[in-house]
Amino acid sequence: EAGVAQSPRYKIIEKRQSVAFWCNPISGHATLYWYQQILGQGPKLLIQFQNNGVVDDSQLPKDRFSAERLKGVDSTLKIQPAKLEDSAVYLCASSLIVGNTEAFFGQGTRLTVV
Amino acid sequence: SQQGEEDPQALSIQEGENATMNCSYKTSINNLQWYRQNSGRGLVHLILIRSNEREKHSGRLRVTLDTSKKSSSLLITASRAADTASYFCATVKAAGNKLTFGGGTRVLVKP
Repeated sequence: EAGVAQSPRYKIIEKRQSVAFWCNPISGHATLYWYQQILGQGPKLLIQFQNNGVVDDSQLPKDRFSAERLKGVDSTLKIQPAKLEDSAVYLCASSLIVGNTEAFFGQGTRLTVV
Repeated sequence: SQQGEEDPQALSIQEGENATMNCSYKTSINNLQWYRQNSGRGLVHLILIRSNEREKHSGRLRVTLDTSKKSSSLLITASRAADTASYFCATVKAAGNKLTFGGGTRVLVKP
């Protein structure tokens, strides 16, 4: 079974630039999550999708971050404009049934904003 | 906001010893999960315990859940150098099904 795919693995941008991350979840998984993990901290949930609807985006900084899940499958997370404090690893995960089964994580995208 | 908080933040033990870490949370949950993260890698699911369960085992892992105290513990028995990693508890709230992580416990197993 293929895992959760994320790209790119690494990205370096200057502040005020924009960046986009892509995630392809495990086939058949209805729930998709985006997390931000700052070095030395636990993952912080940015947005949770159920199929192509949003379950929770209460911690997504909506003035600069946006996310969509196309046709309930792939997802993109965008930051525009980026700030220095956005430097982190962005993790995508998926699960079969919302809240009731384990989540499978991708390798993440390490973003450095300079 | 973090739903779960792990204790201790860091733990250093000798190979062969047991490692115990705790997780406390604030609101009613559907289930609680433990994950491991090796340096620079993605998170790997270890075990899921439902709110109506009190104890669960998987290999060298033992998880307990006390819903009255809103706490859980993860015990790793006979630790190995390969167990060196960060361990996170994550809770799924009873309302809304959000999967929320704590700050993690960093475990170092010395050979």
